[in-house]
Amino acid sequence: GIQVEQSPPDLILQEGANSTLRCNFSDSVNNLQWFHQNPWGQLINLFYIPSGTKQNGRLSATTVATERYSLLYISSSQTTDSGVYFCAVGEDTDKLIFGTGTRLQVFP
Amino acid sequence: SQTIHQWPATLVQPVGSPLSLECTVEGTSNPNLYWYRQAAGRGLQLLFYSVGIGQISSEVPQNLSASRPQDRQFILSSKKLLLSDSGFYLCAWSFGVLQAKTQYFGPGTRLLVL
Repeated sequence: GIQVEQSPPDLILQEGANSTLRCNFSDSVNNLQWFHQNPWGQLINLFYIPSGTKQNGRLSATTVATERYSLLYISSSQTTDSGVYFCAVGEDTDKLIFGTGTRLQVFP
Repeated sequence: SQTIHQWPATLVQPVGSPLSLECTVEGTSNPNLYWYRQAAGRGLQLLFYSVGIGQISSEVPQNLSASRPQDRQFILSSKKLLLSDSGFYLCAWSFGVLQAKTQYFGPGTRLLVL
């Protein structure tokens, strides 16, 4: 099956800093999503981005499908950005395989 | 707008006892439904998914089963819980065919088997 690797596993930032999270996958995919899991466990979908670039406020994502990676950019980080960021991919549009996540801590 | 509910929020059960977790979705018809499990400090593992009433696909052989008795209801069950069934159980939904398959998650159920 498809392997999903995320880096870095842990990231500590001060408020206001920028960061880039990476997701590498081992095979072609038709489905790629980024999620944020807050400290209470709630998973929020950030982007559905099997290819191309999208932006939503301080967050943006880029997927280069031909090179099998996706990047999540967080600008001007805030303490509320803390949590775990997951990349999830799928060969078809129904089933997702999750990476192990990047744990982000933002300090004031 | 669409809303997804899960209950209970937290559950402590003895080994060997039965389990029933419920998930319901409001505000949409014929959604795809999913059950995931998250072990502590790890990623999510897809357990079951359903594209319609009575249609269940199992991804991982295990002690659990799923059912979809109604269009917007998804139930996760076990006849006898094992210690290894402990974890955080998440239900998710997505629109059906011909639409982007963004998945939306419920608040989850934390299960501790003792």
